[in-house]
Amino acid sequence: AQSVTQPDIHITVSEGASLELRCNYSYGATPYLFWYVQSPGQGLQLLLKYFSGDTLVQGIKGFEAEFKRSQSSFNLRKPSVHWSDAAEYFCAVGDGGADGLTFGKGTHLIIQP
Amino acid sequence: DGGITQSPKYLFRKEGQNVTLSCEQNLNHDAMYWYRQDPGQGLRLIYYSQIVNDFQKGDIAEGYSVSREKKESFPLTVTSAQKNPTAFYLCASDRGGTGELFFGEGSRLTVL
Repeated sequence: AQSVTQPDIHITVSEGASLELRCNYSYGATPYLFWYVQSPGQGLQLLLKYFSGDTLVQGIKGFEAEFKRSQSSFNLRKPSVHWSDAAEYFCAVGDGGADGLTFGKGTHLIIQP
Repeated sequence: DGGITQSPKYLFRKEGQNVTLSCEQNLNHDAMYWYRQDPGQGLRLIYYSQIVNDFQKGDIAEGYSVSREKKESFPLTVTSAQKNPTAFYLCASDRGGTGELFFGEGSRLTVL
């Protein structure tokens, strides 16, 4: 069975500082990997996705993520955070089929002024 | 604009009552999903449907039921058999081929 671990429940970062959110997955084959963002009381918005090819993927809002097969990781990064980045971030894994994604428990990002 | 519409956004229910959450999409997607979100628990799959008139149980289907009579619609009924129904419910659809999900804005159900 596939699983996703986001080790950090909460992360606090100063505005303008860099950010890295960790994600580790367990999956037998090459996974399809996703990062989503959720503002309070809202649905989830896709930030970026990895299917194959270049292991460094670019997303919206200045985010990027790197797929490292040897570490079973797909960490999300941003060089300089803005106050509007405060939200809940979810990593998810799938197999490209239509049986849904498996989500991590999320990381709550707090931005300090 | 294409998207997924969930209604109502907020719903209150007395114990012992069934309640139905609506999910409509105009993205022409075949697959649709219902997830439940609880604080600190991430998203857990309740039911999914890959085509009209067919659906499968997810990881936490007990106490829930669904139907898929039209491609655009995938309503979720929370029955009185669901022991702890207070949660945030998210509907999603799948573009197809990659598993990438598109989400609605969610429905928050509170049992009084």
